[in-house]
Amino acid sequence: EAAVTQSPRNKVAVTGGKVTLSCNQTNNHNNMYWYRQDTGHGLRLIHYSYGAGSTEKGDIPDGYKASRPSQENFSLILELATPSQTSVYFCASGGDSSNSDYTFGSGTRLLVI
Amino acid sequence: GDSVTQTEGLVTLTEGLPVMLNCTYQTIYSNPFLFWYVQHLNESPRLLLKSFTDNKRTEHQGFHATLHKSSSSFHLQKSSAQLSDSALYYCALSGYGSSGNKLIFGIGTLLSVKP
Repeated sequence: EAAVTQSPRNKVAVTGGKVTLSCNQTNNHNNMYWYRQDTGHGLRLIHYSYGAGSTEKGDIPDGYKASRPSQENFSLILELATPSQTSVYFCASGGDSSNSDYTFGSGTRLLVI
Repeated sequence: GDSVTQTEGLVTLTEGLPVMLNCTYQTIYSNPFLFWYVQHLNESPRLLLKSFTDNKRTEHQGFHATLHKSSSSFHLQKSSAQLSDSALYYCALSGYGSSGNKLIFGIGTLLSVKP
């Protein structure tokens, strides 16, 4: 069954440390996305990709990098984690055409202390 | 640019009463696609229904919505709320042009159904 898998499910990081969130999809979608979800803000787009080797800045890219080494994998990297990056992060794939929806992963809860 | 507005942050209802969650949008694209996603507690968002046809009712799992391009609206409705409908609901617009095919989400409406 096609799916989007995120790892880890939960992560505690120290301020100033490096954090890598991983996402793997078996949907064969070209497009992949990273969102963070915070109460009162909904889903905010951090980075996205149109295919292997491409990354694009979303609406709130500051403090984050992204990497798309293959069709299946899309990582979100926090080089110097800060407490303000404590959030729930969702990866999604889809949207390859204007009528196609997204499939979301299960999310990663990140706590930066 | 493209945007989606959901005016209610929290809607609290008694079981059995009708549900209406508001969604309006702005876009320069003349043929937008609109989506409703639902997210239950500790789960990820999943598609509830979608539409791109003007004035056509779309239904799924007891919910329905009609895209009205004249008023740029795509409100979500249900005739009788159930306890299991308690969840976070997102309206989304498929952006086009400079936004490519990215989905633009509203901030979400939390629906709480009480016995």
